[in-house]
Parts: sequence; C-alpha cells; structure tokens
Amino acid sequence: DTEVTQTPKHLVMGMTNKKSLKCEQHMGHRAMYWYKQKAKKPPELMFVYSYEKLSINESVPSRFSPECPNSSLLNLHLHALQPEDSALYLCASSQDRAGAGYGYTFGSGTRLTVV
Amino acid sequence: QKEVEQNSGPLSVPEGAIASLNCTYSDRGSQSFFWYRQYSGKSPELIMSIYSNGDKEDGRFTAQLNKASQYVSLLIRDSQPSDSATYLCAALGGATNKLIFGTGTLLAVQP
Repeated sequence: DTEVTQTPKHLVMGMTNKKSLKCEQHMGHRAMYWYKQKAKKPPELMFVYSYEKLSINESVPSRFSPECPNSSLLNLHLHALQPEDSALYLCASSQDRAGAGYGYTFGSGTRLTVV
Repeated sequence: QKEVEQNSGPLSVPEGAIASLNCTYSDRGSQSFFWYRQYSGKSPELIMSIYSNGDKEDGRFTAQLNKASQYVSLLIRDSQPSDSATYLCAALGGATNKLIFGTGTLLAVQP
C-alpha cells in the first residue's frame, strides 16, 4: 500500500466533461506534485505545490487546473480535455521543496482515458 | 542534450546474474540521485537514493555515484524474474530544483 492515495484509479471522460483527480498524503510532507506519464515515457512534471504555493510548468495547457485545499490534499481539475491527454497521472509528495535527498513518494496513479 | 540519459534497453540478463544499469546527467548542480522501479501500468517505486560519491548498498542493490563524470549506476545482484521492470534514474537539485527522470531502462531477467 502506498502512503499517497489517489482517486479514482481509473477514469474515462468525454471531451466536454469536467472531472477532478484527488490526491491525499498523511506523511506531513510539505511539497506535492502532479506528473503525467504516457506509455513507455518517463513521468513529466506538471505542477509543484510547496508550502501551499504553486509553481507552474508553463507548458501545461490551461485545461489542467491544480488546487491545493491544504497541505495534505492536492486536486487536479480537468476540463475540455483532448484524446492526447490520455495518460497515467501521478501524484507525489516529498518532505520539502528540494526533497532533501528523500526522494518523492508516488501514489498509485489515475489511469485517464479521454474519449 | 537531455538532462538525464539512460539506455532504453531492453537489458536482458539470466536469473542469478548481475544487472548493471547506467545513467548520466547534464546539470552539475544536481545534488541527489534516485533509482525508481516501475512495473508495467504501475507507479514508480523508490528503491535507492544516493547523494555522495562512491557506493551505497542495500540488500541486492548497489548504487554508485561519480559526480566528476556525472554518472550514476545501479547494480542488481542475483537478479530474479521479479526484478523485470523499467528502472528510472532521476536527479534532483540544480537549476530547476525539480526531480527530473531519465527515459528508463527496461530490464528483463530470464528464468
């Protein structure tokens, strides 16, 4: 079992739908991350929340919108996605912004399919 | 030049052999390095971290770091079929201070 919990595990959505991915950690970590991973590719960083402040990867389209209600929760709101957005979405957390060598702990991911 | 580079493989080794996985990185400011194992369709699992030059051993795994050569490696002794997975090298720190992954090496351990 992972200490970073992601829901749902699988999601199929149409291009006009609005949905949200949820991530929760109870390790007291102060930095949380969203990654996107396509098949046979490495994870790509989308967003970073460190001490509840957002750092944006400017290449991420605005149809992805992160939200950090508190230091334990991180949501990713999805709207008007395209089929090419289908991927495994991974949430991760770390003890601090720099990771301090502890690495990132990943959740089990949400497999998203856009139809 | 990619920030973190790995051979994509597949690397095929017989059961019981030593598997050697290699990684190079371009940002000399990177401070911490990690090896993640990822089974198909699953999320990455941290198996080793290393921050200082030299070797670090944990069970069947040994990570090696050479900052002068910007080189990181992972040795898996007594390889088992259950070790068959993609191994992702990652570097943290430097200019971006973000965890950057290599493309991963697919390891296949043959029974």
